[in-house]
Amino acid sequence: EIVMTQSPATLSVSPGERATLSCRASQSVSSNLAWYQQKPGQAPRLLIYGASTRATGIPARFSGSGSGTEFTLTISSLQSEDFAVYYCQQYNNWPTFGQGTKVEIK
Amino acid sequence: QVQLVQSGAEVKKPGASVKVSCKASGYTFTGYYMHWVRQAPGQGLEWMGWINPNSGGTNYAQKFQGWVTMTRDTSISTAYMELSRLRSDDTAVYYCAREGDYGDYNNWGQGTLVTVSS
Repeated sequence: EIVMTQSPATLSVSPGERATLSCRASQSVSSNLAWYQQKPGQAPRLLIYGASTRATGIPARFSGSGSGTEFTLTISSLQSEDFAVYYCQQYNNWPTFGQGTKVEIK
Repeated sequence: QVQLVQSGAEVKKPGASVKVSCKASGYTFTGYYMHWVRQAPGQGLEWMGWINPNSGGTNYAQKFQGWVTMTRDTSISTAYMELSRLRSDDTAVYYCAREGDYGDYNNWGQGTLVTVSS
């Protein structure tokens, strides 16, 4: 099983600031990585697939990068609606998720 | 537009089984794998397995092999996930999610809360 490790567990950011979230895979997943946003009481929402491609309707302030074992999700200027939990997921092999990063208001 | 509508919340006793449904609309049901993911209260996401609605073929995460069964009824575009021998730590929200063209999950059901309690 490929283990996905996200850091930090919690990120405190002020509105308008940049947020950088990291995700590391225990072995290479190529570019078969997705990022999801989840708000309380809601299902996850796909943000990024293929490590760097924004899903339909996702604002340009969200960007993904990386390949192999190291990945980053960047939110360039945090809006109030961006405070949520973010998960990375690899689908190179049997799918596995990271444990999540909570982005909270500083 | 693509919609996945799941069945309602369930309360079960330990040792019982639960069957959750996921009705798909807005696309060709047999054209995309359907995955099941669960989330225990306050915890992260856990992949359970997938079903190929076209063939009925399945692939389960090793943890769930032997006690999860995924099926489908193509006549009503509905996928099912049945979990047997429930324990209290199976209390979770269960989601169906449609696999996209690249392996990601671009559509999710609203989730079904299954509570296991004596």
